[in-house]
Formats: sequence, C-alpha cells, structure tokens
Amino acid sequence: KQEVTQIPAALSVPEGENLVLNCSFTDSAIYNLQWFRQDPGKGLTSLLLIQSSQREQTSGRLNASLDKSSGRSTLYIAASQPGDSATYLCAVNDYKLSFGAGTTVTVRA
Amino acid sequence: EAQVTQNPRYLITVTGKKLTVTCSQNMNHEYMSWYRQDPGLGLRQIYYSMNVEVTDKGDVPEGYKVSRKEKRNFPLILESPSPNQTSLYFCASSPDRWQETQYFGPGTRLLVL
Repeated sequence: KQEVTQIPAALSVPEGENLVLNCSFTDSAIYNLQWFRQDPGKGLTSLLLIQSSQREQTSGRLNASLDKSSGRSTLYIAASQPGDSATYLCAVNDYKLSFGAGTTVTVRA
Repeated sequence: EAQVTQNPRYLITVTGKKLTVTCSQNMNHEYMSWYRQDPGLGLRQIYYSMNVEVTDKGDVPEGYKVSRKEKRNFPLILESPSPNQTSLYFCASSPDRWQETQYFGPGTRLLVL
C-alpha cells in the first residue's frame, strides 16, 4: 500500500523567503505525482503535475522536482507572498491517488 | 467555465436519514471519484468510476453507494448516515485515471447528528 508523507506539517516564513516543501512515497511504481493547494474550507486546486518520466515541472514561481527512485518530490515556491498561505498537498498516482497529510504554510507580511 | 460542481455545499442531517450529494462535471471527463477528508487522516478515496455504468470501491466504501448513469453526473448516496460519516467530501474528475490532472469540486461539509 502506498504511503505518502509530507514534512514539515506546518511552516511559517517571512514574506520574500523561498519555500521548500517535501513529499516522500514508499512505492516508486507511479504514473505521476501531483501537487495541490487547499485554502481553508475550500476545494483543491491543482498546481503542478509531474509524469513519472519527468524530473521537474515549472509554473511561474513554482517548481516541483521528482526523484522516483528515491521516492521523493520537492515543491519550491520562490519569493513567497502572503497569498501563498495555504495547505499544500502532495498526491501520488499509482493506480489511484494517495494523498499526504499536507503542509500548512503561513507567509508573514 | 470548466468545473466540477457539488450540491449541497453544507448539510446537517440526523442518523439514518438517507441523503444524496450530487456531483456534476462539464468537461466530458471519463474518470470521476469521491473522497472524504478528515483531520489527521487526509483524503481517502470512497468510490471511483472509469466511465458510464462502471464503478468500483476505493479505500473506504462502507456505508456509501454511487451510480454513474450519465457521463457528467456521479452522485454519492448515504442510505443510512451515521455520525462517523461526518466529514468533508470532495468529488473529482479527470480525462483518464492514469495520466491527467484531477479536477476537484468545492467540497460538501456533512454533519450527521
């Protein structure tokens, strides 16, 4: 059974600092990995999707890397802003999506 | 606008009173699924559907039913709700199960008394 772990569980940084969010998974036989953002009381918004054959994906200030062999992915958010405050979820797709518990980020103005 | 909609968004009910949460997508997606989100347990899949009339159990199907009579709709049915089904529910859709981004609805917060 796929186990997905996100560390840290919570993170507080001053505005402008770069964010580094970690995700690890136990079974490397995956199709893809997806990062989501969830705002309080809201649904999930897809940020980046990395296929198993890819090493990284970029969208604006966001960059996600994937090391399938070691079972790790990292989401980098450059020059953080208060609007980046949210919970970030990592989800691994082997034959279904398995989610981590998330990292709750607070960016202080 | 491409979207996944859920209704109702909030629901308070009593134990044993049957309810249905609707889910609809306008993107012609084949794959649809339901999740529940609970503190400390994260998101867990309840049921999924690969296409019309094709449904299967996820990780936590007990106490739930689904149907997929039309491609766009995937209702979640709780025939006899119990307090342990109090949760935040999400519907999601995707062009396929394997390669594509999954799109999530806004969520339905259910309280069973």
